[in-house]
Amino acid sequence: DGGITQSPKYLFRKEGQNVTLSCEQNLNHDAMYWYRQDPGQGLRLIYYSQIVNDFQKGDIAEGYSVSREKKESFPLTVTSAQKNPTAFYLCASSHRGAGNTIYFGEGSWLTVV
Amino acid sequence: DAKTTQPPSMDCAEGRAANLPCNHSTISGNEYVYWYRQIHSQGPQYIIHGLKNNETNEMASLIITEDRKSSTLILPHATLRDTAVYYCIVPSRRGGTSYGKLTFGQGTILTVHP
Repeated sequence: DGGITQSPKYLFRKEGQNVTLSCEQNLNHDAMYWYRQDPGQGLRLIYYSQIVNDFQKGDIAEGYSVSREKKESFPLTVTSAQKNPTAFYLCASSHRGAGNTIYFGEGSWLTVV
Repeated sequence: DAKTTQPPSMDCAEGRAANLPCNHSTISGNEYVYWYRQIHSQGPQYIIHGLKNNETNEMASLIITEDRKSSTLILPHATLRDTAVYYCIVPSRRGGTSYGKLTFGQGTILTVHP
């Protein structure tokens, strides 16, 4: 099936530990994105990448890092510097250019205890 | 992003049409209107998008007013599985190219009841 795969679906980590969320897409999309969603809230953009080996900060990049070594993959690392990491994380992708639809993965729940 | 305004909640009877309105009075001439929906604990699902003309696909219809300041998403025969939060979005554009920042507001909670 074509689509966006996020893993793991649920993740628990101790405070102070870094954690990496995986995102893989087989849609041949150039652009990929990471969003964060807190309960009852809208989505906020963390990082985005329009092409391999290039990425840009979104609105809430502090405490997060990404890499884009392959077109299909855009992993997100939640570092210990992120003050409130417990949230629902969504990966998305699209073709580049105006009017291209953004498609989302099923999300990853991160709980830091 | 062009600001969008949606009612916080709506109800619809199963089998009837659900009409979800959205105001986007600050939309620019080359900006699209997108609709997504999100069921609890799942990723947002793309529904439909349009620029000027009305659009229809297997999920829904999108009616855009002539002045493009508002639109309506129509689910022609709502089912219980259509209960979700529906978001109307006008994505940011930078330098004439969308860079994909989607601003999700509070959306409309649609409840379809038997």
